[in-house]
Amino acid sequence: ETGVTQTPRHLVMGMTNKKSLKCEQHLGHNAMYWYKQSAKKPLELMFVYNFKEQTENNSVPSRFSPECPNSSHLFLHLHTLQPEDSALYLCASSQATSDQETQYFGPGTRLLVL
Amino acid sequence: DQQVKQNSPSLSVQEGRISILNCDYTNSMFDYFLWYKKYPAEGPTFLISISSIKDKNEDGRFTVFLNKSAKHLSLHIVPSQPGDSAVYFCAASEWGAQKLVFGQGTRLTINP
Repeated sequence: ETGVTQTPRHLVMGMTNKKSLKCEQHLGHNAMYWYKQSAKKPLELMFVYNFKEQTENNSVPSRFSPECPNSSHLFLHLHTLQPEDSALYLCASSQATSDQETQYFGPGTRLLVL
Repeated sequence: DQQVKQNSPSLSVQEGRISILNCDYTNSMFDYFLWYKKYPAEGPTFLISISSIKDKNEDGRFTVFLNKSAKHLSLHIVPSQPGDSAVYFCAASEWGAQKLVFGQGTRLTINP
């Protein structure tokens, strides 16, 4: 149990659908992250939020829209996705008070876009 | 441009022996390095880390070694146990940066 939960664990959606991924951390951290892991590729950082403010967008297409209403919750809103967006989406959190942070990951949402 | 590389996609080790996983990096600004372990259908779990001011960090059966001049780090697991079978990722970050850069992972299989 890492203290970071994600729902749903699996999601199948069509290219015209709109869906949202949810992440919640129970670790009292103040930074949250979205990562993407495509098949046979390293994890790629998508977004970083510090104290609810987005501090990094790693050139992510606008069809991915993050939302961070508070330090414990993070959403990733999906719309008009493409089949190549099928991947494992991982949420992570950390305590952003030191210069060397350890990030703790949730179990991920495996997304399939048809 | 792959800044963190794990050149061995897989490694097979006999139970009780030492497992050595390797990782190379190219960015000399990296100063914090981490190893994560991942089981199927789960997220990566933090295992051990090392700061660039050290060359070794040990936690139980796990030891990470850092060779800054060679831009190389390794994870030693001894003795290896069947529960260690998983995919291991190394990751690195720059001072003050929250961005972790990951390697591709090495699948470790411990044989009884």
